[in-house]
Amino acid sequence: AQRVTQPEKLLSVFKGAPVELKCNYSYSGSPELFWYVQYSRQRLQLLLRHISRESIKGFTADLNKGETSFHLKKPFAQEEDSAMYYCALQRSGGGADGLTFGKGTHLIIQP
Amino acid sequence: DAGVTQSPTHLIKTRGQQVTLRCSPKSGHDTVSWYQQALGQGPQFIFQYYEEEERQRGNFPDRFSGHQFPNYSSELNVNALLLGDSALYLCASSSLGQGQWETQYFGPGTRLLVL
Repeated sequence: AQRVTQPEKLLSVFKGAPVELKCNYSYSGSPELFWYVQYSRQRLQLLLRHISRESIKGFTADLNKGETSFHLKKPFAQEEDSAMYYCALQRSGGGADGLTFGKGTHLIIQP
Repeated sequence: DAGVTQSPTHLIKTRGQQVTLRCSPKSGHDTVSWYQQALGQGPQFIFQYYEEEERQRGNFPDRFSGHQFPNYSSELNVNALLLGDSALYLCASSSLGQGQWETQYFGPGTRLLVL
């Protein structure tokens, strides 16, 4: 069975500092990986997925199959980035299959 | 488009009771997935409905059942409620477009408290 681990429950950085939210996964095949974000009092929404290779709101994530990681990065944090971030996995070719989520990291950007 | 909608927003039940939660998918979507999110945890996949049938199921007991209607809306039913069923229940919708499944969009959730 697949598993997603987000080792940091809480991450606090100052505005303008770089941000890295860690995500490690275990899965025997080639997964599809996602980052979802939940801002205060808003619903869970997709931030980015690795196959699209996009940069959304300045965030990027690279899939490292050797280290089985999909860390989320942003070079300069902004206060509006404060939110809960969830890493999620879907099996390759799984299409609309259920997502396996990590427990989430609460990111706080201090002014 | 209001996106994915869920009702009710909050619900309080007692142990042993039964509950039904409802979800309307985003316009144009035909697939509905349900997730349970306990406090401090990430969402856990319960099951998914497509073409009015359960397509995939996570590791949840048979007390959790569902239904999808011809208009693609869906219900989640939980029987014999336990205290541990207290959680936020999320619905997500998606669709098969251009030969591949699209991103799942989430609703705001229904918060269930079992006393």
